[in-house]
Amino acid sequence: EAGVAQSPRYKIIEKRQSVAFWCNPISGHATLYWYQQILGQGPKLLIQFQNNGVVDDSQLPKDRFSAERLKGVDSTLKIQPAKLEDSAVYLCASSPLDRDGINEQFFGPGTRLTVL
Amino acid sequence: AQTVTQSQPEMSVQEAETVTLSCTYDTSESDYYLFWYKQPPSRQMILVIRQEAYKQQNATENRFSVNFQKAAKSFSLKISDSQLGDAAMYFCAYTYGGATNKLIFGTGTLLAVQP
Repeated sequence: EAGVAQSPRYKIIEKRQSVAFWCNPISGHATLYWYQQILGQGPKLLIQFQNNGVVDDSQLPKDRFSAERLKGVDSTLKIQPAKLEDSAVYLCASSPLDRDGINEQFFGPGTRLTVL
Repeated sequence: AQTVTQSQPEMSVQEAETVTLSCTYDTSESDYYLFWYKQPPSRQMILVIRQEAYKQQNATENRFSVNFQKAAKSFSLKISDSQLGDAAMYFCAYTYGGATNKLIFGTGTLLAVQP
C-alpha cells in the first residue's frame, strides 16, 4: 500500500513570507497528525485531525499557523508569516481507527523548512 | 505532565554486536503505551517495537527487544546482531492512547554501526 505522501520535500523562504505544506495520508486512515521536529529534538505534535474535525491543536501557534483537512482526506499546514524559529522538519502521520485506541502512526518523509 | 527522556545523545556499536538504548519516562497514568521509532537519514520514521504497559512480558521483534520496567519507568531497547542498516536516530515515545493518541517523543539517540 502507498505510504503517507508529503510535498514539497524542501522549502527555503525568508522570514515574514508564507508557506504551505501538503500531506496525503494512507488511504482509509481516519486520523492525521502534523508534527514539528526542530533539529536536535524529538517531534512535537502541532495538530491532530480525526476525519475533518480537530481533536488536538493545543500546541499550534494559532497566530501564525493554520491547518485544514477538507473532506477528511488530505491536509494542508500553513505558516504566515514565518519566523526564523519555524525552521524545522514538518512531519505528517496518519493512523487507522482502532477499537482499543492503540493506533500505530505511519509517518511521511517530512518537509524540511529553512527560514532565512 | 508526561515526559520522555533519552540520556544518550549518541551511541556506537560494532557490526554483529549488541547495543542497548536507554529511555525513561514520567507519567501518572496506569495504562499507556511505549514505542521505539527509527528515523534513518532519509527522515521517514518507522515503528520498531511497541509495548503495552499492562503487559508484563517484554516485547520482541526479531533482533529488537525491550526491557520494560514499569515501577522504574524505564523502557530500554536492545538491538542484537547489529547491522549497518540499523544506523539511524532512535526515538522513544509514549502515549496514553484514548481520543488523542498523541505521541510524546524523547530527544533521540543517534546510533552509529561500525563495520
